[in-house]
Amino acid sequence: QQQVKQSPQSLIVQKGGISIINCAYENTAFDYFPWYQQFPGKGPALLIAIRPDVSEKKEGRFTISFNKSAKQFSLHIMDSQPGDSATYFCAASTGSQGNLIFGKGTKLSVKP
Amino acid sequence: DADVTQTPRNRITKTGKRIMLECSQTKGHDRMYWYRQDPGLGLRLIYYSFDVKDINKGEISDGYSVSRQAQAKFSLSLESAIPNQTALYFCATSGRPSGNEQFFGPGTRLTVL
Repeated sequence: QQQVKQSPQSLIVQKGGISIINCAYENTAFDYFPWYQQFPGKGPALLIAIRPDVSEKKEGRFTISFNKSAKQFSLHIMDSQPGDSATYFCAASTGSQGNLIFGKGTKLSVKP
Repeated sequence: DADVTQTPRNRITKTGKRIMLECSQTKGHDRMYWYRQDPGLGLRLIYYSFDVKDINKGEISDGYSVSRQAQAKFSLSLESAIPNQTALYFCATSGRPSGNEQFFGPGTRLTVL
């Protein structure tokens, strides 16, 4: 049973465009929703995270939108740049001890 | 120096061989994890450890074993490697004061022929 479903699997965006990656979860006990960014040859690194007490969190060009009733959250990358080309993973966990459950990843390519 | 290191970075081995992947961290975290990454399948948890005396199986532990030699060291072993264990393996850590955030090593690319 896949607890965190991520889409699309791959995404091509023109420079300056908006990249949107979506995730849906099933476990209503999840209370921490991070996004990780992975460049080729590197390990994933935390990009931005949100908890369900807010509907949106913005850090620079990166925004998480969270819809608790729909059990969905999404990553928006504004003014996408070629340097944003990477694989993005959404994840979810419960409490301070819960393990992260990762989505299957989205490979983003930003064309110049 | 990197906070989470993995050795080796690349390894080619043959079916049936025993192999050990090592992870060390200087972050002082108590929790350590081993993940496997396959194209299109994301990151899947193999084993995790909340402290030296606490080892737990993850989603895909069959065919793997681990050892937590110290708070800073967590090793993953493949007792008898098989070709479908060819993958990218990541170690990660988490703990105070970073909470749920996991810090990943650079990965080990393992090929089993």
